Amino acid sequence: AAGVIQSPRHLIKEKRETATLKCYPIPRHDTVYWYQQGPGQDPQFLISFYEKMQSDKGSIPDRFSAQQFSDYHSELNMSSLELGDSALYFCASSLGFGGAEAFFGQGTRLTVV
Amino acid sequence: DAKTTQPPSMDCAEGRAANLPCNHSTISGNEYVYWYRQIHSQGPQYIIHGLKNNETNEMASLIITEDRKSSTLILPHATLRDTAVYYCIVPGNQFYFGTGTSLTVIP
Repeated sequence: AAGVIQSPRHLIKEKRETATLKCYPIPRHDTVYWYQQGPGQDPQFLISFYEKMQSDKGSIPDRFSAQQFSDYHSELNMSSLELGDSALYFCASSLGFGGAEAFFGQGTRLTVV
Repeated sequence: DAKTTQPPSMDCAEGRAANLPCNHSTISGNEYVYWYRQIHSQGPQYIIHGLKNNETNEMASLIITEDRKSSTLILPHATLRDTAVYYCIVPGNQFYFGTGTSLTVIP
């Protein structure tokens, strides 16, 4: 069965650069969630989208933005990267909004040097 | 979203049942309880969810108390591959991860 696809799997950027992470949800899933997980930490919710509209916002820095496109894939744009942005970034998708089970991708490991 | 409380860590002998508790005393009547696990640096994996009744699937069983204020995830025959961090989540509208239980299965 198709799963959530994230690209790239690994990314190395320098400080102050920009990064774009992509998430392709499970077919027919209309909800996408983004999470950041630092070393030794629990996943922290960043932002979510339902039917291409932002549905909730968590601890996402102002330097980050995201959107969900007409084909339901989503992109997380990160600017002015800082060393502290180095983390695993997970995307999840679900069918419907409001507690439907979410399925996670394998994550993008971002390293800022 | 209802707050959940889990013990930070647990050990379980290989082949024995692992019982992972979760308190969610502020859960509302229409909120489900979800369990996920994360094996080192992999994407969190869905295990099971339930509303009122006990649930079982190929991975685990979920026991929810009658007052719904707590639940227990049961891995009937733990293997070394079950070593992971287990998260109990009452999402409401979103999946917020609290501090889960780090389960170590011991040979």
